[in-house]
Amino acid sequence: DAGITQSPRHKVTETGTPVTLRCHQTENHRYMYWYRQDPGHGLRLIHYSYGVKDTDKGEVSDGYSVSRSKTEDFLLTLESATSSQTSVYFCAIKNPSSGIGYTFGSGTRLTVV
Amino acid sequence: GQQVMQIPQYQHVQEGEDFTTYCNSSTTLSNIQWYKQRPGGHPVFLIQLVKSGEVKKQKRLTFQFGEAKKNSSLHITATQTTDVGTYFCAGDSGGGADGLTFGKGTHLIIQP
Repeated sequence: DAGITQSPRHKVTETGTPVTLRCHQTENHRYMYWYRQDPGHGLRLIHYSYGVKDTDKGEVSDGYSVSRSKTEDFLLTLESATSSQTSVYFCAIKNPSSGIGYTFGSGTRLTVV
Repeated sequence: GQQVMQIPQYQHVQEGEDFTTYCNSSTTLSNIQWYKQRPGGHPVFLIQLVKSGEVKKQKRLTFQFGEAKKNSSLHITATQTTDVGTYFCAGDSGGGADGLTFGKGTHLIIQP
């Protein structure tokens, strides 16, 4: 969807290495979210942000940290990647046009080997 | 914490048959949202229900919100191959910024 991009789209990394995923929005939206999607689990909230430097933990935050130094960027960091963090990661913002519903990025498929 | 249950996990239908997925929250919701995710894609917002007992329609899709604002359903009439995908409900407890709680989704598989 227009206005929210994720990078990289795919990444393979080794166990124990740090990994940073980026979410960039051009909608100047206050709220941003990181979800992970795994078979059988649906979408689970990792961290969210309600403004620059304002972040909070979600349901599955262990092993993840986030930073938001600018309105447009929300970074998700895996300090030391583990195989259990192999997943598809989605960033989301509230729908910029209507404020109803979330608009998701295209996702990052992360494989930890 | 809030939990959102969704059934069935998988549904196989013949093209032209109807399809229904059900969603149940452990807590009363401020609103419930529905999303569709095509294979290999990202979730796309379909609709939001806010009022107790609300019913909304989008062409062949009918969405309902229960009287107690804890359950919801999505019904598709006369499925088409374009309906293939995973349908998620997501509950909003009304806490402001703290995100949605998603059900695990129902995978709709359509046999021509």
